[in-house]
Amino acid sequence: DIVMTQSPDSLAVSLGERATINCKSSQNLLYTSNNKDYLAWYQQKPGQPPKLLIYWASTRESGVPDRFSGSGSGTEFTLTISSLQAEDVAVYHCQQYYDTPYTFGQGTKLEIK
Amino acid sequence: QVQLQESGPGLVKPWETLSLTCSVSGGPMTGYYWNWIRQPPGKGLEWIGYVYYNGKTNSAPSLKSRVTMSVDTSKNQFSLKLSSVTASDTAVYYCVRLGDGDYYFDYWGQGALVTVSS
Repeated sequence: DIVMTQSPDSLAVSLGERATINCKSSQNLLYTSNNKDYLAWYQQKPGQPPKLLIYWASTRESGVPDRFSGSGSGTEFTLTISSLQAEDVAVYHCQQYYDTPYTFGQGTKLEIK
Repeated sequence: QVQLQESGPGLVKPWETLSLTCSVSGGPMTGYYWNWIRQPPGKGLEWIGYVYYNGKTNSAPSLKSRVTMSVDTSKNQFSLKLSSVTASDTAVYYCVRLGDGDYYFDYWGQGALVTVSS
């Protein structure tokens, strides 16, 4: 199985400041045949299902604010929120879809400082 | 807008079989993989498996021996059976769509809490 490891486990950031969450995979997620990284990010607010934010490591899902961005390739990836808003308080999960079993990181809890 | 809704018993006795159904509306089942993902209280997400619209299945090796999945496109539903459950199977169970060629989880149900207890 591909192991996904996120850091940090929790993060407190002031409103308007930048938040950065890292995700590392135990195997390369870049398919050379199409040059795509099979990595997605999800946001999960309390009592709600996860919501797709980013796919192919850096493509924002329709309707997701542009303060959310994804970067990285291969085995190391980053989710950045450029200017934290109150509504961004949530748990963020990375997930690989390079191979089954599909696997998720342990989640990063983002709070307001 | 695609919508998914889980249904089934919220309480299952140990060693019995957990059964859930997901109803899909607002879009076709054809061309997609229909997944089950679970989340134990306060913990992370675990992929259980998928059933393709044509009935092909794939499940996590750790659960494979206990998982049965099926699809009924005429009813716009798919289902999960997990046998011989224990307390460690207590979780919120989500039904989730995955695109053929896209492979990320784009639509999620609201989730169904299933508690395993006598």
